[in-house]
Amino acid sequence: KAGVTQTPRYLIKTRGQQVTLSCSPISGHRSVSWYQQTPGQGLQFLFEYFSETQRNKGNFPGRFSGRQFSNSRSEMNVSTLELGDSALYLCASSPAGLSRASSTVFGQGTRLTVV
Amino acid sequence: AQSVTQLGSHVSVSEGALVLLRCNYSSSVPPYLFWYVQYPNQGLQLLLKYTTGATLVKGINGFEAEFKKSETSFHLTKPSAHMSDAAEYFCAVSVSTASKLTFGTGTRLQVTL
Repeated sequence: KAGVTQTPRYLIKTRGQQVTLSCSPISGHRSVSWYQQTPGQGLQFLFEYFSETQRNKGNFPGRFSGRQFSNSRSEMNVSTLELGDSALYLCASSPAGLSRASSTVFGQGTRLTVV
Repeated sequence: AQSVTQLGSHVSVSEGALVLLRCNYSSSVPPYLFWYVQYPNQGLQLLLKYTTGATLVKGINGFEAEFKKSETSFHLTKPSAHMSDAAEYFCAVSVSTASKLTFGTGTRLQVTL
């Protein structure tokens, strides 16, 4: 079965712009989580969506937002981009039910560069 | 809340030598523990996981890890390193009923001839 698909793979934006990243989870998975990876802060949890509802949120400013559609695809948006938002953004797909973390699959990531 | 500490940000071994990457965790409830590998500009690939049951867990590519509750550790080992093992390795912890993973800071493994 197809893996987790993230688009685009690479993106260059200018400071102050906004950006939208997309994630298509594994078929049948209803939970989508987003992580930010930077050399300084490592891997940090942004938020999780399940059945179109945000269920969990990390410690990021309100410029970072997301949503999930009825087909479980998810988008995350970052407004008013800052240089520090340059990172690899990883999407993770999990099934419903208990033991979700043990069945999590990651996408290849979107490399965002803010100039 | 849970946390993970990975000792050593860089580990260098010779090809054919034992690989040992250290991970200690903190969790107020029984944890799920994971090791992931990441190659440059790639996502995270699951190497192995501990959920319940047998404390010695075997994963892909010859890696294994042992859950030691008394030491709150989940160290990753491989008997004989291969050049293709050079990558960054992340230990992670989660609680059973959530999707959120809390990661360590990662260990970059270098394999030399």
